[in-house]
Amino acid sequence: EAGVAQSPRYKIIEKRQSVAFWCNPISGHATLYWYQQILGQGPKLLIQFQNNGVVDDSQLPKDRFSAERLKGVDSTLKIQPAKLEDSAVYLCASSPPGLTDTQYFGPGTRLTVL
Amino acid sequence: SQQGEEDPQALSIQEGENATMNCSYKTSINNLQWYRQNSGRGLVHLILIRSNEREKHSGRLRVTLDTSKKSSSLLITASRAADTASYFCATANTGTASKLTFGTGTRLQVTL
Repeated sequence: EAGVAQSPRYKIIEKRQSVAFWCNPISGHATLYWYQQILGQGPKLLIQFQNNGVVDDSQLPKDRFSAERLKGVDSTLKIQPAKLEDSAVYLCASSPPGLTDTQYFGPGTRLTVL
Repeated sequence: SQQGEEDPQALSIQEGENATMNCSYKTSINNLQWYRQNSGRGLVHLILIRSNEREKHSGRLRVTLDTSKKSSSLLITASRAADTASYFCATANTGTASKLTFGTGTRLQVTL
């Protein structure tokens, strides 16, 4: 079974630029999560989707971050414009329907904002 | 905000020794989970313990949960160099069972 796929793996941009990350969850997984992990800290949930609907985006900085999950499969997370403090690893995870106790994580995208 | 606090922040042991990591949390939970993260990789789910359980085993892993003290411990027995990683506890709070709040992590180094 293929795992959660993310791209790109690494991205370097300058502040005020825009960036987008892509995630393809495990086939059939209805729930998709985006996390931000700053160096030396644990992951922090940014947004949770159930199919293509948003369940929780309470910690998403909506003035600059946006996310969508069209057709309830792939998802993209965008930052516009980026700030220095957005430098982090962005992790995508997914859970199967009815079994949201366990999350399966992708390898993450490491973002560096200069 | 971080729910859990792991202790110690870093741990260095020799291969074959046991490693114990502790996690404290603040609010009532549905379950508590432990994840491993190798350098530059995503997180891997290790074990889940529910609020009505006190101890759980999986291979060389043993997890305990004390809800009265709001704390959990992860014991890795007979450690191997391949166990070198960061370990995070994550709590699923009552009422929001699918939302995980991660702790700050323990960095484990196992040397030969």
